[in-house]
Amino acid sequence: GAVVSQHPSRVICKSGTSVKIECRSLDFQATTMFWYRQFPKQSLMLMATSNEGSKATYEQGVEKDKFLINHASLTLSTLTVTSAHPEDSSFYICSAHWGDLPEQFFGPGTRLTVL
Amino acid sequence: AQTVTQSQPEMSVQEAETVTLSCTYDTSESDYYLFWYKQPPSRQMILVIRQEAYKQQNATENRFSVNFQKAAKSFSLKISDSQLGDAAMYFCAYEATDSGYALNFGKGTSLLVTP
Repeated sequence: GAVVSQHPSRVICKSGTSVKIECRSLDFQATTMFWYRQFPKQSLMLMATSNEGSKATYEQGVEKDKFLINHASLTLSTLTVTSAHPEDSSFYICSAHWGDLPEQFFGPGTRLTVL
Repeated sequence: AQTVTQSQPEMSVQEAETVTLSCTYDTSESDYYLFWYKQPPSRQMILVIRQEAYKQQNATENRFSVNFQKAAKSFSLKISDSQLGDAAMYFCAYEATDSGYALNFGKGTSLLVTP
């Protein structure tokens, strides 16, 4: 149980285009979902926290107008990277939380390459 | 803000031997959770072990155990009988009980397992 999927697993786009990444909890309802960014050989950095039906809470330094997060249902959150640039190239990971357990369950990640 | 420090960027262990990965953290909270996550080359984050701060007993999961020293704010991971499949990045993470389940990660330790 507690499986989280992400789609796509890999995306390559041109500079200036927008990219949408989906995060789904497959067998549970996620009360909270998290979005992380991980640069090569670095740790996971929390970008934002989203709760179903409410606006996402962004970490300091993360541009909310560039990284749009929508948490439309208890099983789906989306991250849209708007007007992507090469410096946005990274590995994006989502996670979900449910119930009383303190741990998060992670998706497999999405590798974004902006040319 | 809580900080998590992993002072060993890389560690190496021979197959079947034991290795200990270090983690220290800084917090003024009395109740919190600590985790070790494993990130293999696939980059899927996998929960290895969890420790509740209010529990004095060290958590154990098969070959994985922790040495939790609350006063010293230390949380090391011991891997016994190391296997080739244990090779991965290991991240220590902190979660405050009132943080909305947000995780604060250390920079990680890359574990190499040699035959």
